[in-house]
This record gives sequence, C-alpha cells and structure tokens, in this order.
Amino acid sequence: DVKVTQSSRYLVKRTGEKVFLECVQDMDHENMFWYRQDPGLGLRLIYFSYDVKMKEKGDIPEGYSVSREKKERFSLILESASTNQTSMYLCASTESGGGTYEQYFGPGTRLTVT
Amino acid sequence: QKEVEQNSGPLSVPEGAIASLNCTYSDRVSQSFFWYRQYSGKSPELIMSIYSNGDKEDGRFTAQLNKASQYVSLLIRDSQPSDSATYLCAVENTGNQFYFGTGTSLTVIP
Repeated sequence: DVKVTQSSRYLVKRTGEKVFLECVQDMDHENMFWYRQDPGLGLRLIYFSYDVKMKEKGDIPEGYSVSREKKERFSLILESASTNQTSMYLCASTESGGGTYEQYFGPGTRLTVT
Repeated sequence: QKEVEQNSGPLSVPEGAIASLNCTYSDRVSQSFFWYRQYSGKSPELIMSIYSNGDKEDGRFTAQLNKASQYVSLLIRDSQPSDSATYLCAVENTGNQFYFGTGTSLTVIP
C-alpha cells in the first residue's frame, strides 16, 4: 500500500512565524503535490514537483515556497505565516511515466495561525 | 468558469436508495477522471477512476463518463449510512495537474 505521511496533524503558529510542513511518501513516486482545502473552495493546488529539485507553481503559490531535496520528501514552507493561511494542508503523490495514475493523499495538517 | 463543478448539496437519500452525484468539467482535453470520498476531518480517498466513455462498475459504485457532454457521474447503489461523506470529483489535465470540484455532501438516512 502507498503510504503518504505528514509531519503534524495539528499545528498552531503565530503570525509572522516561519512554518515548515513536511510530507514523505514511501512508494518511489515521482510527482508530489501540496494543496490547501478550505470550506466552499475545495482543494487548491499550491505547488507540485515532478522530480528532485524541480517545482512548479500551482494556482495559489503566493506566500508559500517548497523544497524537494530527496525524492521521497516534499516540504511546504510558509515564510511568514498569516491568519489567512489558516487551513487544512494536504500532501499527495502519484507515479508518472506517461500513464494515468491516481493521487494518494496524506492525512493532512490542520494549521491555525493566530 | 471553474475547471470542475459539482453541486455542493447537501444530498440526502434514505438507506438502500441510489445516490447520484454529478460533475462537469470545462477542459475538453481532460483524459482522466476520479471520484474521491472524504469523511469529515479526514483526507480524500480514491473510490473510482474512469478514463473511457461509458460506465465502470466496482461493487456498489458505478462511474459514468460522457466526454462529449463533459460530464462525469457517480452512482452509489444500496446506500449505507457509512457512505455519508463528501464526494470530490477530480479531473486530470495535461502535465499531471489535477483539478478538484468543491465536493458534494451526501447524507444517508437510516
């Protein structure tokens, strides 16, 4: 079974803090994704990566950065947390290679910025 | 126009009935379509994928795809209270990007 893990289930941070959210997958997937999920807005893509050290902006990258130094690990960084970044953050991974593969999600991190 | 649209619901059906969930998408080149189930406070889990026009059945679940109408649906037969959740429609476009609808909330009433 594919396993995607995230570093924290719940996190509370103060405005202006630097926040790191980590995601690890154990199935050697090439593609990894970070989403945030908000009521009424659904899942929105922040960043994705299709290889080590490669990254692409999603629909809402402002205020976020990412790092992928190893294939299995994809980190989301909030450089200076703000209250409007309070949300559920979901990491996902999928294979690549020309076929079509479903995304597997981690358990999510509920971040509250006060 | 949103990439993927779903009725937000809530949709309520009695136990044992058929629940019908619908989804439309805007990009004609979309190739792959997925239905995820998400329980409150949990992450989405894949329940069905469909890539070709027509129906695909898996147990009590049937996914239907009509690319000409840009329409995907999910039927849940013999609905159970444990099916109560939010159902997300997802569409994969080129470049491995996935677009999700906002989800339809389903409640199965015992």
